[in-house]
Amino acid sequence: QKEVEQDPGPLSVPEGAIVSLNCTYSNSAFQYFMWYRQYSRKGPELLMYTYSSGNKEDGRFTAQVDKSSKYISLFIRDSQPSDSATYLCAMGDGTGTASKLTFGTGTRLQVTL
Amino acid sequence: EPEVTQTPSHQVTQMGQEVILRCVPISNHLYFYWYRQILGQKVEFLVSFYNNEISEKSEIFDDQFSVERPDGSNFTLKIRSTKLEDSAMYFCASSVGLRPQHFGDGTRLSIL
Repeated sequence: QKEVEQDPGPLSVPEGAIVSLNCTYSNSAFQYFMWYRQYSRKGPELLMYTYSSGNKEDGRFTAQVDKSSKYISLFIRDSQPSDSATYLCAMGDGTGTASKLTFGTGTRLQVTL
Repeated sequence: EPEVTQTPSHQVTQMGQEVILRCVPISNHLYFYWYRQILGQKVEFLVSFYNNEISEKSEIFDDQFSVERPDGSNFTLKIRSTKLEDSAMYFCASSVGLRPQHFGDGTRLSIL
């Protein structure tokens, strides 16, 4: 079983739709969770991060973590064509001095006009 | 907004040659990382670095790889004798402690 599983998509939605992106994980040691957005030939750009179960909202984005189910989600409201990108979930266990991130494979999102 | 910068954006080198990838982390960050992403695959951790020493490394980071912080601003990844399978995007990241890591735009390494 992979440590982090993410549906690769592609996911195509019309402009204005609500998008739900999801990751599951197997390592119960993961303590903090991030979502990155990656445009083609660019580096991952941090969107959201959270250290606890529950919801965290930032503008059109909501990150949701359920540690008991080992499941995290990113919701995008009122999606825009500029949201078209690959979305990466990443998580860390917080151990060690400089803790590595473990990434999902990424979900490619296309928002159409 | 401060950002991580990486040079060059694209490096082409012959198999067996040494290559050095350079990064300037965000200035007040103390933790530094290298990741790589082979085309079509996920981002993979290579190494983390703090207080002038390696904190953690993955099994990918073998004796052919090394990292260095030669001065107060640069952080480098050296691959001693490149192989075809080293072709990938290499991302540098930095963070303040366990705060989220911020990534540069990467160096695309092409081994011929």
